Amino acid sequence: KAGVTQTPRYLIKTRGQQVTLSCSPISGHRSVSWYQQTPGQGLQFLFEYFSETQRNKGNFPGRFSGRQFSNSRSEMNVSTLELGDSALYLCASRWNNEQFFGPGTRLTVL
Amino acid sequence: AQTVTQSQPEMSVQEAETVTLSCTYDTSENNYYLFWYKQPPSRQMILVIRQEAYKQQNATENRFSVNFQKAAKSFSLKISDSQLGDTAMYFCAFMKFDTGANSKLTFGKGITLSVRP
Repeated sequence: KAGVTQTPRYLIKTRGQQVTLSCSPISGHRSVSWYQQTPGQGLQFLFEYFSETQRNKGNFPGRFSGRQFSNSRSEMNVSTLELGDSALYLCASRWNNEQFFGPGTRLTVL
Repeated sequence: AQTVTQSQPEMSVQEAETVTLSCTYDTSENNYYLFWYKQPPSRQMILVIRQEAYKQQNATENRFSVNFQKAAKSFSLKISDSQLGDTAMYFCAFMKFDTGANSKLTFGKGITLSVRP
């Protein structure tokens, strides 16, 4: 089976722009979670989707949003980008209480 | 809310030796999972080992084993016969047991492990 894939792998944006990141889970996995990884804050949970419904949400501002499609693929969107949004964004799909991570999208905000 | 603490930011070990990475956590939950994840430089995060809180027996995966002390809320990882490929950042993580598919992982800050040749 193919692993979790994320596109794009790298992004450079400027402040005020918006960005959409995509995540395709392992085939058959219906739960997708998103995490933000920064040197200062470490790994922080953004949100989780299961069967197109948001099941859980972390403590992030409303500029961060997501959705999941019927094929379990998920997107997250960040609007009005700030310098502090520069991070590695990881998604993970879940099977039997184990989470499988994708390679991440490295977002740089200038 | 759960918290996970990894107090050692960096460690170094000689190849073929044994190293132990520490982790403590705080929770009021009784049923949960604990994990160690490995994130090599510029590479994907992968699961090293998993422990279910209801199991008294410590988990073991080849050269990796844990010392799970539920009462002390301690979950350390022992790496035996360290190899150069073990060089990575290691994260301790907590997940509440939830039949409603709650997958939220709470991570520690991580520890950078360097294996010296």
